[in-house]
Amino acid sequence: NAGVTQTPKFRVLKTGQSMTLLCAQDMNHEYMYWYRQDPGMGLRLIHYSVGEGTTAKGEVPDGYNVSRLKKQNFLLGLESAAPSQTSVYFCASRMDRGSITEAFFGQGTRLTVV
Amino acid sequence: KNQVEQSPQSLIILEGKNCTLQCNYTVSPFSNLRWYKQDTGRGPVSLTIMTFSENTKSNGRYTATLDADTKQSSLHITASQLSDSASYICVVSAIGSQGNLIFGKGTKLSVKP
Repeated sequence: NAGVTQTPKFRVLKTGQSMTLLCAQDMNHEYMYWYRQDPGMGLRLIHYSVGEGTTAKGEVPDGYNVSRLKKQNFLLGLESAAPSQTSVYFCASRMDRGSITEAFFGQGTRLTVV
Repeated sequence: KNQVEQSPQSLIILEGKNCTLQCNYTVSPFSNLRWYKQDTGRGPVSLTIMTFSENTKSNGRYTATLDADTKQSSLHITASQLSDSASYICVVSAIGSQGNLIFGKGTKLSVKP
């Protein structure tokens, strides 16, 4: 049981380049999230999905796009990378069981934009 | 506005000592509160969950408390170990939140030998 897997783990981009981060979960969770984590800022929600074929904006969506074509995958795209997007990106999926909620996180993607 | 505030921002303690981390929230309607541990360079991992009816819950050397009236939670770590050095994040779920989780900024704990 792999849980939540993110690829790649590290990436360096030049300003203006594009890339896609892949998140895959094998727990059949409906909800999936993309966060970025910057020093002193905590985790900030970029986009999220409440099910296959759905996406919604979070707290800091500008400069990012997402897609959830399959339930198990949630893709985060940067169309034209900027240095301000240098960050660590975490994907998570969420389990709900009655009043119990738990988020399961991937190991993170460290992105540097130069 | 739904918010989660954690204190202190950072904490340094000696190995073997106890410590308590605080979490105050203004999330409504409240569903549950979970404490996560995040080791450097890793994703957060759940330590314990508190629902509305629970006051205290232990997980080994970790004990979480919840006061739903004052909207406060604490995480107490007993007999700290070097491996406890990490960030501890308080996360609150609201009922009907459309999947959103409200994160605190975390407390960075350093345990020194």
